[in-house]
Amino acid sequence: DAGITQSPRHKVTETGTPVTLRCHQTENHRYMYWYRQDPGHGLRLIHYSYGVKDTDKGEVSDGYSVSRSKTEDFLLTLESATSSQTSVYFCAISEVSRYDRYEQYFGPGTRLTVT
Amino acid sequence: GENVEQHPSTLSVQEGDSAVIKCTYSDSASNYFPWYKQELGKRPQLIIDIRSNVGEKKDQRIAVTLNKTAKHFSLHITETQPEDSAVYFCAAPAGAGSYQLTFGKGTKLSVIP
Repeated sequence: DAGITQSPRHKVTETGTPVTLRCHQTENHRYMYWYRQDPGHGLRLIHYSYGVKDTDKGEVSDGYSVSRSKTEDFLLTLESATSSQTSVYFCAISEVSRYDRYEQYFGPGTRLTVT
Repeated sequence: GENVEQHPSTLSVQEGDSAVIKCTYSDSASNYFPWYKQELGKRPQLIIDIRSNVGEKKDQRIAVTLNKTAKHFSLHITETQPEDSAVYFCAAPAGAGSYQLTFGKGTKLSVIP
């Protein structure tokens, strides 16, 4: 597995509380992504980053914010968690490789439950 | 943006038979098509990918074919084994010049011993 870690791996929190998930990489890849995975929906992009302090919204960004102050770290924040944000969250990294392939490598995931 | 449709959503095959999963995409400019395998409770892992300048790519028992005219690509698994049981996702670039990926909703493959 690529050098990607996520923390925490599991979290239970109450509605209305703030939550921050961390993704850390040791590959020095430029691109980082946050996805959520829900049954029947596959992997949906929340936010992504194309460099330090360079981020943009994905398909399902409402209720989420991100920050990237260092190449190796990408943080996802739920400002006020809701039950609809109960999900498994995956971080991924990529780099544009030879022959313009841009395969993504995923972290182990964080299971978040909002009660 | 790109729209990726994946079929079927579930697939059961007998051990030793072949399995085929198909994805269609909407953006004719898309040029990179990866396939991921996700075992239960694990992270998605890239198993094979293809660029638009080739029509087929093989890696042992798995292969991917691409039909640019019809805008679809397929994953073929031959001589299936129980360890092939997993959820498989296809993906395509989210838009022209984009390095983001849009994923299909996944296919749950069950290989029956």
